[in-house]
This record gives sequence, C-alpha cells and structure tokens, in this order.
Amino acid sequence: KAGVTQTPRYLIKTRGQQVTLSCSPISGHRSVSWYQQTPGQGLQFLFEYFSETQRNKGNFPGRFSGRQFSNSRSEMNVSTLELGDSALYLCASSRLAGAYNEQFFGPGTRLTVL
Amino acid sequence: TQLLEQSPQFLSIQEGENLTVYCNSSSVFSSLQWYRQEPGEGPVLLVTVVTGGEVKKLKRLTFQFGDARKDSSLHITAAQTGDTGLYLCAGGTGNQFYFGTGTSLTVIP
Repeated sequence: KAGVTQTPRYLIKTRGQQVTLSCSPISGHRSVSWYQQTPGQGLQFLFEYFSETQRNKGNFPGRFSGRQFSNSRSEMNVSTLELGDSALYLCASSRLAGAYNEQFFGPGTRLTVL
Repeated sequence: TQLLEQSPQFLSIQEGENLTVYCNSSSVFSSLQWYRQEPGEGPVLLVTVVTGGEVKKLKRLTFQFGDARKDSSLHITAAQTGDTGLYLCAGGTGNQFYFGTGTSLTVIP
C-alpha cells in the first residue's frame, strides 16, 4: 500500500508570494491533517479535513488555508508569505483502527521563504 | 490545552548503552503513539498503545502506557547508531492528536 505522498518536496519562494502544497493520503484514509514543523516551535497543528470538511483548526492566521477534494487529496495554501513561514510542512492521513485513530505522515515539503 | 512534555529534550549516548525517554501529560488520552523522525523527513509511526499499563516491544524498543493513560515511556536497549533521530509522542483523543515537544537522540559509535 502506498504511503502518504506530498508534492513538491522542496520549494523556494520570496516574501509576499503565495504557495500551494499538495498531499495524497493513504488509500482509504478520509482524514488529512496538516502540520508546520520548525526547530523552535516543534510540530504545530494547522488543520484537519474529513470528507471535504474542515473538522479541526489550529491557531494560525487566515493566510493559511486548506481544502480537501472528493478523492481525499488535500491542498494547503499560504498567501502573502513571510520569512517566518519557512518550515517543514507535514501532511498526515489517519484511519480508524478499532476505537482509536492512527496517523501516518508523508515526507513533508520543505518551504524556504527568502 | 492538552500539553505533552517529553524528557529529556536532548540525549547523546554511546552505542550499546540503554536509555529511556518520557512523555508526560496532565490529560487522559485514548491512545498514545510514538514516532521517530530523521532530518528532513516525516515522522514514522513506531507503535500505538491504547490500554492503561500496556507494554509493547518492538525488537530493542519497549513502550509503556501509564496506568492512568496520561504518560508513556520508551526504553531502548543496547542503542545503535541507526536509532539516532527525533522521537515524538502523540496523544490521541477523539479525532485529534497532540504532539510532545520531542527528544533528540544521538547515538555515538
């Protein structure tokens, strides 16, 4: 079974630009979550989508948005990029394994904002 | 806020030594997961524990979930250089996950 895939793996943008990252979950997984990881802040939750609906949201500004398509693939968008947005962006898909959820991560997209 | 604190934050040991990493919270979780992450890559799921007091073994790694389901530990026996990485714990409740602060482990040959 293929794992979670993310594209692109690396991205360089300049301040003020916008960026779209893509995530394909494991086949059969309907929940997709996005995280931002930086050395100083660790892993921070952005949002979670389930069946095309945003179900949970972290504490990030409105410049960060996402969506999920009917095939469970998800995209996240960051508008008006700032230097502080440089980070590893991780996508995770989860499945219900009995009475609990299990989450599996993709390799991440390394975003550098210059 | 459901905060998970991991200790120690950094750990550097010689190959062959044993170590234990702790993951503590004041909140109760329905499940707890441990991940290992290498630089520039996504975290890889090692194990999920769901029952209070549960112990799971994965070769040289032993995972334990606290009786009250608020804390967990990861014990590595005879560490190898391939164990080097960032270890993350994550508590699950409902459909949400709360991540620990991470323990960066370096195993020196």
